[in-house]
Amino acid sequence: AQRVTQPEKLLSVFKGAPVELKCNYSYSGSPELFWYVQYSRQRLQLLLRHISRESIKGFTADLNKGETSFHLKKPFAQEEDSAMYYCALSKSGNTGKLIFGQGTTLQVKP
Amino acid sequence: DAGVTQSPTHLIKTRGQQVTLRCSPKSGHDTVSWYQQALGQGPQFIFQYYEEEERQRGNFPDRFSGHQFPNYSSELNVNALLLGDSALYLCASSLGGAFYNYGYTFGSGTRLTVV
Repeated sequence: AQRVTQPEKLLSVFKGAPVELKCNYSYSGSPELFWYVQYSRQRLQLLLRHISRESIKGFTADLNKGETSFHLKKPFAQEEDSAMYYCALSKSGNTGKLIFGQGTTLQVKP
Repeated sequence: DAGVTQSPTHLIKTRGQQVTLRCSPKSGHDTVSWYQQALGQGPQFIFQYYEEEERQRGNFPDRFSGHQFPNYSSELNVNALLLGDSALYLCASSLGGAFYNYGYTFGSGTRLTVV
């Protein structure tokens, strides 16, 4: 079954601390992986995707096919990073559905 | 560019009624997908429209139907509403179906409450 698991509902860290939001997936084949973010009172937006291997707002994510994981990392958290983060996957080259995890709320305390 | 526009923003309906939600995609986008997001859950794919046809569908009953117009805007219809249909309905648009290059652009959603 295709599934995305984000084991933490809430992750609370202090400003300046490292952040790692976990994402594990179950998929037979080669998926494309994404992280989406939703800031307070804003709409869901794409943060990064594994195929572009880019760093956005200091966040990076590496696809580990052996562990079927796509954890989101940032070395030094900022208060403005506080938001809901969703990991999602789709079939490689597929132009249809995204499968989302349940989301992790990141709370960065001052 | 207003991005993806959804209407209405909030809606209250009674069980058994029918509802229509509307979505205008981002300028230049021609593909529209609909998602249902229950409270505390991630969005779940309902279906996608491209070239005025339903191209892909998630695990939703036939009570959920849709339409895409020649101007690429789309409607989501839900018949015989159940209490469990209460959720945030998100519309997402993309270009030419090849979303993996650009990702989706999401609207801010329609909050449907069924009483």
